[in-house]
Parts: sequence; C-alpha cells; structure tokens
Amino acid sequence: KNQVEQSPQSLIILEGKNCTLQCNYTVSPFSNLRWYKQDTGRGPVSLTIMTFSENTKSNGRYTATLDADTKQSSLHITASQLSDSASYICVVFYGGATNKLIFGTGTLLAVQP
Amino acid sequence: ETGVTQSPTHLIKTRGQQVTLRCSSQSGHNTVSWYQQALGQGPQFIFQYYREEENGRGNFPPRFSGLQFPNYSSELNVNALELDDSALYLCASSQGTSGGAENEQYFGPGTRLTVT
Repeated sequence: KNQVEQSPQSLIILEGKNCTLQCNYTVSPFSNLRWYKQDTGRGPVSLTIMTFSENTKSNGRYTATLDADTKQSSLHITASQLSDSASYICVVFYGGATNKLIFGTGTLLAVQP
Repeated sequence: ETGVTQSPTHLIKTRGQQVTLRCSSQSGHNTVSWYQQALGQGPQFIFQYYREEENGRGNFPPRFSGLQFPNYSSELNVNALELDDSALYLCASSQGTSGGAENEQYFGPGTRLTVT
C-alpha cells in the first residue's frame, strides 16, 4: 500500500534552534519527493523538489535529504525563525504523473521566542 | 504569491445544498488539480483537469464534479453537501502532467467551506 508517514506529528522549538523533520514513504514507482510549507489556513508553498538521483537540496535555511534506498527523507531547518511556524508536508509523486501523489499528514512546527 | 487565485475565500452552506468553487490557474499552466484538506489532515486528491478533460480522480463520490474552461480556469462543484464536506479546498496549477520535477504544482490560498 502506498503510504507517506511523517514524524514527529508536532514539534516546539525555541527561536534560533535547528530541527529535523522526517518523512518515510512506501510508494512505487517513485517519481519525486517534495516538501511544502503550509501556514494555517493557506495553500502549501513548495520548499524543495528531489528526484531519485538527488541526495541533498537546499533552499535558504531549509535543507532536504533523500535516501531512495531506505525510502526516507528529512527536512532540516537551520536557525529557526518565528515565521517558520507552520505545517510541513512531505509529498511523494509516483508513476510519472502529476495526479499520482500522496501527501503526508504533516509536522506542525511551532517556533517560540 | 503563486499566481493561483481561488474564490470565494470562505463559504458557509447548509447540508443538502450545492456549492461551486473557482480557481484561476497560473499564467501558462494548462493543468488544475483539486484537493480537500480536512482540519489537521493532509490534502486529499479529488481530481485533475488537463486541457479541459478530467485526467485522474481520487476516491471521491460523483457528487464532486468539476470543469475546466478554455482559459484553463476551473470549477469544483459539490452537490448534496454533507457535514463531512467541511474542509479547506485547494487547487493547484501546473504545466503538463508528466509528473517530473519540472511540473511544479503551485497552490492557491484555498476556499474554507463550512457545512452546517
């Protein structure tokens, strides 16, 4: 069964600290994996897109990793800011089509001063 | 901002009524996908339209229907509303349907539907 699981479900960190979010998937055939940031009540915004051959991709303070062998991805946030407070969603596309995708349930991150 | 717009922003309907939600895709995009996101959950794929034709559908009943216009804007129609239809409805536009990394999906801000 195709699944995308994220952990932790929620996370509270202090401003300036780093954190790492996890995404495990059992999706086949894998096409690409995307991390999105979703502010409450808003649409998701893309942070990174990673294909099978990519291990690491950065976007400012966000760094995503992908291990296609173990089917795991992580999103590392460096020097967190209050504006990083949001839900972070891992999405796996499969089968080579934009209508074949599975969303994780997200990690809710709260950055406190 | 992604360039994808949705209307209305919020909507309150009663059970049994019908609703139409609208989405304008980003300039140059020919594909629109619709998602339902219940509170505290990840989005669930409803269906996708590519060049005015339905191009894939998730596990949603027939009372969820859609339309795409020649300018690639799209509508989501829901008939016989149920309480469980209360959710954030997101649309996303993309160029093409190959699913590769180049076919980035850009999400609109969503329409918050409340069914009472």
